[in-house]
Amino acid sequence: GAVVSQHPSWVICKSGTSVKIECRSLDFQATTMFWYRQFPKQSLMLMATSNEGSKATYEQGVEKDKFLINHASLTLSTLTVTSAHPEDSSFYICSARRGYPEAFFGQGTRLTVV
Amino acid sequence: AQTVTQSQPEMSVQEAETVTLSCTYDTSESDYYLFWYKQPPSRQMILVIRQEAYKQQNATENRFSVNFQKAAKSFSLKISDSQLGDAAMYFCAYIIQGAQKLVFGQGTRLTINP
Repeated sequence: GAVVSQHPSWVICKSGTSVKIECRSLDFQATTMFWYRQFPKQSLMLMATSNEGSKATYEQGVEKDKFLINHASLTLSTLTVTSAHPEDSSFYICSARRGYPEAFFGQGTRLTVV
Repeated sequence: AQTVTQSQPEMSVQEAETVTLSCTYDTSESDYYLFWYKQPPSRQMILVIRQEAYKQQNATENRFSVNFQKAAKSFSLKISDSQLGDAAMYFCAYIIQGAQKLVFGQGTRLTINP
């Protein structure tokens, strides 16, 4: 149990376009989901906390208009990178909380903006 | 500020031997949870072991065990009988009871030498 699926695993998009990443909890309901960004050889940097049915809480320094997060159901949260630029290229990871304090992670999405 | 420090950016060990990864953390809270996560080359974050701060007994999961020293705010991970599949980045993390966010360390890259 406790499977979190992230889609797509990798995506290449053109500069100026938007890309959506999905995070699904497959076998449990997640009232809280988290979005992280990971640069090469670095730790996970929390971008935002997403609660079902309410607005996401963004970490300081994260542009909420660029990184749109929607948590419309108990099993799905989406991260949309709007007007992507090469500096947005990174590895994005979601996690979902089942109970407390356990959080389970998706397999990540490698975004490349060209 | 809440911080987690992993003082060993890289470690290596011979297959079948034992290795200990260090982690210290800083919090003024008394009720929290500690975790070790593994991130193999696939980049999927996997929970290795968890420790509740109120428990004095050190957690154990098969070949993985921790040395939890609450007064010293230390939480080291011991891997016994190291296997090639243990090669990964290992992240120490904690969450304060009632808080939303995990606080991660910088990670330790573990190499297993055959």
